[in-house]
Amino acid sequence: ILNVEQSPQSLHVQEGDSTNFTCSFPSSNFYALHWYRWETAKSPEALFVMTLNGDEKKKGRISATLNTKEGYSYLYIKGSQPEDSATYLCAFLKAAGNKLTFGGGTRVLVKP
Amino acid sequence: KAGVTQTPRYLIKTRGQQVTLSCSPISGHRSVSWYQQTPGQGLQFLFEYFSETQRNKGNFPGRFSGRQFSNSRSEMNVSTLELGDSALYLCASSLALGGLTDTQYFGPGTRLTVL
Repeated sequence: ILNVEQSPQSLHVQEGDSTNFTCSFPSSNFYALHWYRWETAKSPEALFVMTLNGDEKKKGRISATLNTKEGYSYLYIKGSQPEDSATYLCAFLKAAGNKLTFGGGTRVLVKP
Repeated sequence: KAGVTQTPRYLIKTRGQQVTLSCSPISGHRSVSWYQQTPGQGLQFLFEYFSETQRNKGNFPGRFSGRQFSNSRSEMNVSTLELGDSALYLCASSLALGGLTDTQYFGPGTRLTVL
């Protein structure tokens, strides 16, 4: 069983503050890591697909880094806004993998 | 471009029945994946179809099956429903050039309740 963990489980952030949270995954046989944002009553929205050690991706105020050797990825939100409130999920794909394994998610609530 | 659509959006069934859910991918997308979301287990991968063939499979019993048609539309079937099958079922489509490394575009889901 692959262990993909996200921490913290939930996070309260003041509007305007920056924050970050972690996705940990097995460091061996890495192939890809997905990040999704899932707002309540909506469909999960793809943020990034990361495949290379040292990868850094950015989309607006959200960015992500990847360390495949130590098995973690950070997601950063700069200058949080209320519309950033959502659950952020990571999903790990191992080499020659045949399925995505999701973490439990980090629920972010941005307070005005 | 229209997004991924799923029908029906809500469904109530009783134990022992079977159910079929439908997913229409984004035009031009050839891969459809299915996922189950439950409060206890989170989001879990069921299977992926590409060119009418199951290409990848998660750890679910054989009661869960699917198929894909030549127009890339996909159906998922669950036979002999159990209470634990109550969940939100999501499908996602992708171009499938890179398999499961491709960006997945999710539909709104079907909420299944088993009584």
